[in-house]
Formats: sequence, C-alpha cells, structure tokens
Amino acid sequence: EVQLVQSGAEVKKPGESLKISCKGSGYTFSSYWISWVRQMPGKGLEWMGIIYPRDSDTRYSPSFQGQVTISADKSMNTAYLQWSSLKASDTAMYYCARHLVDSSTYNTRYFFDNWGQGTLVTVSS
Amino acid sequence: EIVLTQSPATLSLSPGERATLSCRASQSVSSYLAWYQQRPGQAPRLLIYDASKRASGIPARFSGSGSGTDFTLTISSLEPEDFAVYYCQQRSNGPPTVTFGGGTKVEIK
Repeated sequence: EVQLVQSGAEVKKPGESLKISCKGSGYTFSSYWISWVRQMPGKGLEWMGIIYPRDSDTRYSPSFQGQVTISADKSMNTAYLQWSSLKASDTAMYYCARHLVDSSTYNTRYFFDNWGQGTLVTVSS
Repeated sequence: EIVLTQSPATLSLSPGERATLSCRASQSVSSYLAWYQQRPGQAPRLLIYDASKRASGIPARFSGSGSGTDFTLTISSLEPEDFAVYYCQQRSNGPPTVTFGGGTKVEIK
C-alpha cells in the first residue's frame, strides 16, 4: 500500500526556522515526483513546488520561490519542506502529494494520486 | 497564469440527488484537468484526471466531462460520504505551474 506519512504538528514563533518531512513507503520513492501543497485556514489549495527524489531536481511556484526550500533524501525515502524564517502568514496545513504516473506511457503527470495526512504549522508570537 | 473558476461556491442537496459541479478555465487546458474531494479534516483525494478518467478505487457514480475551458464533475446519486469540498486542478504548459479552483462545497440540504 502506498503511504505518505508526514511529521507532526508544529508551533513556532515568527523568525524561527522549521523543516517538516514526508516519508514514502509501499513504492519506489525515488521514481516518483513529490509536490508540496499549502492550505491556509479555511481556504483552498495552493501548489508550492515539486521535487524528483532520484536526483533532487526541484521547481518552485513563482509564489513560493525564495520563501521555502524543498529537498529530499532518497536513502531515507523522505521529502522535506523548510523555512529559514517563519512568518505568521505561514500558518497553514501543508500536504505532500505523489504525482500520478501514466500506466501506459510511464509519463509523470501533474495530478496527485496519493497524499500525506498533512502537517499543521502554526506561527504565533 | 490560468485561473480556474468553480461554481457554484456551495451546492445544497439531499442524499440520492444528482450533483453537477462546474469548473471554467481562463484559457484552454485541453483535457489536462483533475477533480479532488476533500472531506473535513482530511487530505484531498484524487477522483478524476484527464477530465474524464476515474482514479483508482473511485466509485462509478463520479464522472467528469469537458475539454478546453469548460468542465463538469457529476455525482449521479449523492451518498452521505460525498458531502465535502471539491476542487478542480490544472497544470500550465512551460515552466510547471499547478493551479486549483476555489472549490465547491456540497452540503446536506
């Protein structure tokens, strides 16, 4: 069974740093792109960026470029999302999600077929 | 950037009724569109991709249609567990950019 298990909820102060994780199991982690998606309280979904764990090729949404860092450790089957200096506006639920691979062409699609359970990040003084 | 507009914002229906949700793109996305369901307190779940293909394990009462700029998600007969928020999503060509619609909440009437 494919699973993405994220690290637990965090409460931080503005200016602090944070790294949250997403551990994959039940499939070849390094062969599937992983995206991160933000959901602010009571709001919709926002795509942040994507990483290919095999070679750590990473792309960012223009809205999040420079605001966060996405990384991965393929030996640990884990992807990460980190902030160097948190703001109150970073308060949100963060999801990792695996990209669908077309079963006939083996092409990676920008659709998300498996999701982590989410990590709630609260930033408050 | 392609904008996805979902309507209505809220749909009030009874179990057993048919639900029709709309997603309109600001420019053509061909058939590169997905639908997700998000129940309260849960992560989103992929229902439909490529506008009309059901994802693995998704019941047949969910169907998607459309291409270009106008798309529809239909739930043929609402089950109690279908009351949730639904999002459409597309990917833009060129440097990858993914956008989601604002969501439609299907609530019990």
